[in-house]
Amino acid sequence: AQSVTQLGSHVSVSEGALVLLRCNYSSSVPPYLFWYVQYPNQGLQLLLKYTSAATLVKGINGFEAEFKKSETSFHLTKPSAHMSDAAEYFCAVSETGRRALTFGSGTRLQVQP
Amino acid sequence: GAGVSQTPSNKVTEKGKYVELRCDPISGHTALYWYRQSLGQGPEFLIYFQGTGAADDSGLPNDRFFAVRPEGSVSTLKIQRTERGDSAVYLCASSRTGVSGANVLTFGAGSRLTVL
Repeated sequence: AQSVTQLGSHVSVSEGALVLLRCNYSSSVPPYLFWYVQYPNQGLQLLLKYTSAATLVKGINGFEAEFKKSETSFHLTKPSAHMSDAAEYFCAVSETGRRALTFGSGTRLQVQP
Repeated sequence: GAGVSQTPSNKVTEKGKYVELRCDPISGHTALYWYRQSLGQGPEFLIYFQGTGAADDSGLPNDRFFAVRPEGSVSTLKIQRTERGDSAVYLCASSRTGVSGANVLTFGAGSRLTVL
């Protein structure tokens, strides 16, 4: 069975500071991993995905994530936070043979001026 | 259409009533998914359609929940005898195919259901 753990339901950073959102997965087979962002009153939007082509994945809006098999992690980072990055971020996993995504509980990112 | 469309955006109903939520996926997308998102939680899988058939309905919580996709496009999520615990945002997503777990899901804005 697959599962996703996001450490920290709320993260607050200053504008211009590093953003680090943590995600650990549990999967019995090599997974596909995703980060989605949800702005208020909007649908989830894909930030980036890992499908085994490269361990460092670059996404939209300057975000990137690194797949570390030894740590079963897929943390999301951005070097410099913008006010517009304030949103809820979800990590998700799917396994070969299972089409549906399993989501973590989300991390709400606040960006302070 | 350009995106996944869900109607209604908000629905308030009374305990025990019947509710239908509609999803219109991106044109040409064969796979369609329903998720439920409770306050402060991540989306929880309900059911997945490949074409007209439900390929995986393991997430439906009980037999009060049912979903159809008769022509392989629009889908309707049906909830009978609603309970207060059914209050949540119901999300629909579609993808080009459901063949690979690497497929990207495109989500609608959701239908917020409130059961009084």
